[in-house]
Amino acid sequence: QKEVEQDPGPLSVPEGAIVSLNCTYSNSAFQYFMWYRQYSRKGPELLMYTYSSGNKEDGRFTAQVDKSSKYISLFIRDSQPSDSATYLCAWGSSYKLIFGSGTRLLVRP
Amino acid sequence: NAGVTQTPKFQVLKTGQSMTLQCAQDMNHNSMYWYRQDPGMGLRLIYYSASEGTTDKGEVPNGYNVSRLNKREFSLRLESAAPSQTSVYFCASSEAAVGLSNQPQHFGDGTRLSIL
Repeated sequence: QKEVEQDPGPLSVPEGAIVSLNCTYSNSAFQYFMWYRQYSRKGPELLMYTYSSGNKEDGRFTAQVDKSSKYISLFIRDSQPSDSATYLCAWGSSYKLIFGSGTRLLVRP
Repeated sequence: NAGVTQTPKFQVLKTGQSMTLQCAQDMNHNSMYWYRQDPGMGLRLIYYSASEGTTDKGEVPNGYNVSRLNKREFSLRLESAAPSQTSVYFCASSEAAVGLSNQPQHFGDGTRLSIL
């Protein structure tokens, strides 16, 4: 079993839609959780970072962590064409991060 | 704001050639990392350096060597390139240090390497 499972997509939605991206993980030793956004031919860019279970909001983005179910989600409200990218979930323990393989999102104008 | 800078951006090598990928960060970060990204595989850690003067293996270290030249610079060397090493290579850095290990990583824009 992979340490991190993420649906590769692609996920295609109309502009203005609410997007839900999800990841599951298997290792309960993971201590912190992140979402990265990666545009084509660019490096991953940190979007959200949290230690704890529950919700964390930043503008149109909300990260939700459920440690008991080993499940994290990223919600994007009022999605824009500029949100079209690959979204990577990541889990950390000590110095290292484990990444999901990414979900490709396309927001249609 | 330069952040993490990688050179070169693109390179084509022949099997058996050697090459060094360069990475420099200007954020005074303690830790630096090298990843490779392949389709459907996500980012896989090759090597990391938790502090100047130390390096450790990651998930896929075979065929690679690294040097933490100073706090700013961390290079990745392919001694004898193989087609299986065709990939996009990313360098990252973070504030993570002894007693402060859970810190986000910041990435460069990658080196696209093709080995024929």
